[in-house]
Amino acid sequence: QQQVKQSPQSLIVQKGGISIINCAYENTAFDYFPWYQQFPGKGPALLIAIRPDVSEKKEGRFTISFNKSAKQFSLHIMDSQPGDSATYFCAASITQGGSEKLVFGKGTKLTVNP
Amino acid sequence: KAGVTQTPRYLIKTRGQQVTLSCSPISGHRSVSWYQQTPGQGLQFLFEYFSETQRNKGNFPGRFSGRQFSNSRSEMNVSTLELGDSALYLCASSLNTYGYTFGSGTRLTVV
Repeated sequence: QQQVKQSPQSLIVQKGGISIINCAYENTAFDYFPWYQQFPGKGPALLIAIRPDVSEKKEGRFTISFNKSAKQFSLHIMDSQPGDSATYFCAASITQGGSEKLVFGKGTKLTVNP
Repeated sequence: KAGVTQTPRYLIKTRGQQVTLSCSPISGHRSVSWYQQTPGQGLQFLFEYFSETQRNKGNFPGRFSGRQFSNSRSEMNVSTLELGDSALYLCASSLNTYGYTFGSGTRLTVV
């Protein structure tokens, strides 16, 4: 099953708070899990990514937590800022014949109030 | 270093027409993928090209096609446009497997 389920659809957080977005997948052939950030009128931009042999990856205020046995992963945004207001997509990558295909979640619209 | 460039940014077409969208990848990137983004279906994979060869294809009808040139620039074509083809079409390029950089997309409206 090549789906990635993402929740919540929308999230409102106060400045300085923690934003948490969750994703789940079924296909164990997925071998790379990136998160993308998209602002209105722009394409998605790679934020942070993790491979399934790692349980956590942190880059600045952004952390991915990965639970391989549960087939779930999540994005934590610490000290959320109004500039973080955007739509966030989790994705899972499957490589076939050297070709990478990204399967995206439906997205989470994050609003950080000042 | 220039990013992924997609042209045109906006396009309005009439049902039944055909359209060609263009993508110039980051210099040196040989892999180019195309995605369709709609509010209902989200981001969906169309196809991927590497060295002028289609390596992977998503679940879209044959009206959607693409090609890649020797300079890695890519085009996608949609024939016999339907209202449901209205979407943001995104191109992404990559140097190696993993880590695509997306362009800002072409917003196609079919009326």
